[in-house]
Amino acid sequence: AQSVTQPDARVTVSEGASLQLRCKYSSSVTPYLFWYVQYPRQGLQLLLKYYSGDPVVQGVNGFEAEFSKSNSSFHLRKASVHWSDSAVYFCAVSRRNNNNAPRFGAGTKLTVKP
Amino acid sequence: EAAVTQSPRSKVAVTGGKVTLSCHQTNNHDYMYWYRQDTGHGLRLIHYSYVADSTEKGDIPDGYKASRPSQENFSLILELASLSQTAVYFCASRDRGQDTQYFGPGTRLLVL
Repeated sequence: AQSVTQPDARVTVSEGASLQLRCKYSSSVTPYLFWYVQYPRQGLQLLLKYYSGDPVVQGVNGFEAEFSKSNSSFHLRKASVHWSDSAVYFCAVSRRNNNNAPRFGAGTKLTVKP
Repeated sequence: EAAVTQSPRSKVAVTGGKVTLSCHQTNNHDYMYWYRQDTGHGLRLIHYSYVADSTEKGDIPDGYKASRPSQENFSLILELASLSQTAVYFCASRDRGQDTQYFGPGTRLLVL
């Protein structure tokens, strides 16, 4: 079975600073990987996803993530954060099987200080 | 834009009572999911379905039943609600052949 670990429950950064949110996955085969964002009192929205190919994938609002098979990681990055980026970020993993259901990490709550 | 709605948006239930959470999607998606969200646990998969009239158990199905009477509707049923089932419940849908899930706004359930 696949699983995801997000080691940082909370991250606080200043506006304009760079950001990295960590995600480690466990899977017997190369999975599909996702980052979702949850704004207060809303459902989750997809930021970006990785299937194969270039290990760096671009997402919305300047976010990108890098897949590393050797480290079993899929870290999310942003060069310069804005206060509106404050939200909870979830990493998710899914097996390459159409009937497989994605599994989510515990989430990282990002607070951007003005 | 994919649309997933949930009802009710919030509910207070009594211990031992029956609770039904409903999810409706207008996306014509084959797959639907129920997750619960608790602080420190993220989203955990309860039940899912990839075709009408069939459901599958997720990682934490105990205490929950699911029903998929049509492609558009997917319900989560708590026959005997317990305090430990206080959480936010999210429904999601996904198209066959695609991997992006579309989430509803969530239902806040408080069991007293």
